[in-house]
Amino acid sequence: DAGVTQSPTHLIKTRGQHVTLRCSPISGHKSVSWYQQVLGQGPQFIFQYYEKEERGRGNFPDRFSARQFPNYSSELNVNALLLGDSALYLCASSLVPGGYTGELFFGEGSRLTVL
Amino acid sequence: AQKITQTQPGMFVQEKEAVTLDCTYDTSDPSYGLFWYKQPSSGEMIFLIYQGSYDQQNATEGRYSLNFQKARKSANLVISASQLGDSAMYFCAMRESLSGAAGNKLTFGGGTRVLVKP
Repeated sequence: DAGVTQSPTHLIKTRGQHVTLRCSPISGHKSVSWYQQVLGQGPQFIFQYYEKEERGRGNFPDRFSARQFPNYSSELNVNALLLGDSALYLCASSLVPGGYTGELFFGEGSRLTVL
Repeated sequence: AQKITQTQPGMFVQEKEAVTLDCTYDTSDPSYGLFWYKQPSSGEMIFLIYQGSYDQQNATEGRYSLNFQKARKSANLVISASQLGDSAMYFCAMRESLSGAAGNKLTFGGGTRVLVKP
């Protein structure tokens, strides 16, 4: 079974540009979350979507936006890129948000470098 | 204040020995969950083990066990019989308000890098 897939795996952008990152959840999973992991730190929560609706947002500026499509895949968009946006962007999926099983499945991430 | 603290930035462990990774947390929410993830150099976060705040027994998953001390707010990960493939970053994370809308909002610690020596 395919796990969480993300694309692109690596990309380089310059300051001020825009980037779109894509995520396909595990088949049957309806909830997708996005995390930013700056080098040397733990991941930080950006967004969660469930059934195409935003269910949570972390402490990130409005330059960050996301959406979830009818097939439950998701896009993360970042406008007006800053050097500090350089990070590994992780997507995670689960059957439903939260729950008592605990498992949240992550993809391998999209590594963004902003020059 | 840090919600999740991992005080060991890095550690070496001999192959086949056990290792304990420390994690302390801070929350006033009576309902929370604690997670441990492994992150190899590939970047993927691999789920290892989960402990709910109301669980009476410590969680175990194969060679992984979680030493949950609720009063001390600690959730240490024990890896038994370390293998070379265990070399990776390990992150402790917490989810508060299990019934909340943002059920997948995890707060992560800074991680501990483990290197297993042959």
